[in-house]
Amino acid sequence: RKEVEQDPGPFNVPEGATVAFNCTYSNSASQSFFWYRQDCRKEPKLLMSVYSSGNEDGRFTAQLNRASQYISLLIRDSKLSDSATYLCAVNMGTGGFKTIFGAGTRLFVKA
Amino acid sequence: EAQVTQNPRYLITVTGKKLTVTCSQNMNHEYMSWYRQDPGLGLRQIYYSMNVEVTDKGDVPEGYKVSRKEKRNFPLILESPSPNQTSLYFCASSAQGLNTEAFFGQGTRLTVV
Repeated sequence: RKEVEQDPGPFNVPEGATVAFNCTYSNSASQSFFWYRQDCRKEPKLLMSVYSSGNEDGRFTAQLNRASQYISLLIRDSKLSDSATYLCAVNMGTGGFKTIFGAGTRLFVKA
Repeated sequence: EAQVTQNPRYLITVTGKKLTVTCSQNMNHEYMSWYRQDPGLGLRQIYYSMNVEVTDKGDVPEGYKVSRKEKRNFPLILESPSPNQTSLYFCASSAQGLNTEAFFGQGTRLTVV
């Protein structure tokens, strides 16, 4: 089993739709969680951190469920510019710098 | 401007010819790491460094070397590249701490023939 798993998609949605991605992690000792966005052939960039209390940034909402060991990302009112690959990342907190990334979920938003 | 700079951006080389991919960051970050990204496999960590002269293996270190002689630089060395090392490589850096953002370089697309 992979340490961090995501549905690869692709998710094809119309503009204005709400779409949700989940990401599961296997190590219960994981301590910090993130969503990154990666445009085609570009470097990943931080979209948002995921806190235990959940957090929201405009149309984006991230949540953490420690009991079930998953994080989620909800995008409301999808825009064409949201088309990208979304990577979840989990920091194992083992005293070093060990961040594990999921393989990414591809999103296509269509007009 | 805060950034992570990798060079070269694109490289085609032949099997067995030693190469180095440079990575430099100007944010005074303690942590730096190298990842490779392959279709369907996501980002896999090759090596990471917690500070100067402190490096450790990630998940896929075979065939790679790194060094951290200065805080800002973290070169990736392929002593004898092979075709299975054809990939997209990213260098990343972050400040110390768990909930800190990783900043990535623009990537190096390596092809080994």
